[in-house]
Amino acid sequence: AQKVTQAQTEISVVEKEDVTLDCVYETRDTTYYLFWYKQPPSGELVFLIRRNSFDEQNEISGRYSWNFQKSTSSFNFTITASQVVDSAVYFCALSEGSDSNYQLIWGAGTKLIIKP
Amino acid sequence: ETGVTQSPTHLIKTRGQQVTLRCSSQSGHNTVSWYQQALGQGPQFIFQYYREEENGRGNFPPRFSGLQFPNYSSELNVNALELDDSALYLCASSNRGGGYTFGSGTRLTVV
Repeated sequence: AQKVTQAQTEISVVEKEDVTLDCVYETRDTTYYLFWYKQPPSGELVFLIRRNSFDEQNEISGRYSWNFQKSTSSFNFTITASQVVDSAVYFCALSEGSDSNYQLIWGAGTKLIIKP
Repeated sequence: ETGVTQSPTHLIKTRGQQVTLRCSSQSGHNTVSWYQQALGQGPQFIFQYYREEENGRGNFPPRFSGLQFPNYSSELNVNALELDDSALYLCASSNRGGGYTFGSGTRLTVV
């Protein structure tokens, strides 16, 4: 059965520290998509990244980077030099099959607190 | 380009009542998905509509129903409300091959 696990319920760091959010997934499909979303207190889910199962290249976007490793079924997210504005709940999600817009299976989320 | 708009933003209903939540999809998007997010949890897929037809359903009872209109806007209806239906209801629109755009959600409280 498909599943997404975010073992870290809450992480608290001081501003400018680096922080990594873990995501482990389970799927029997060979074609799938992985996502990260940010949810600030306002509630809206903000898309950060989508990665398909055939692309294991790491991604860097500014202070954000993602490490996708199929061998360990992990898709971890690192924020470098964290800022207070990064405080939010972060979700990892999985979509099976070739249609990345179909049902998303979500982890429970990691609440990230950045202290000034 | 307008984003996804949901209404109302907050709602309080009594157990046993019925509720209708509304979602206007982003311009150019023909697919709408609905998710339920209980407090402190990740979203759960309710169902998806593509070109006015239901295109998949999660593990929710039949009292959760939906519609999609010709302009691709959508409604989520919940009958016989239960206390456990209290949650944030999120709507997302998309196109085939593209990504989701989420609305800010409707916070439903059942008392």
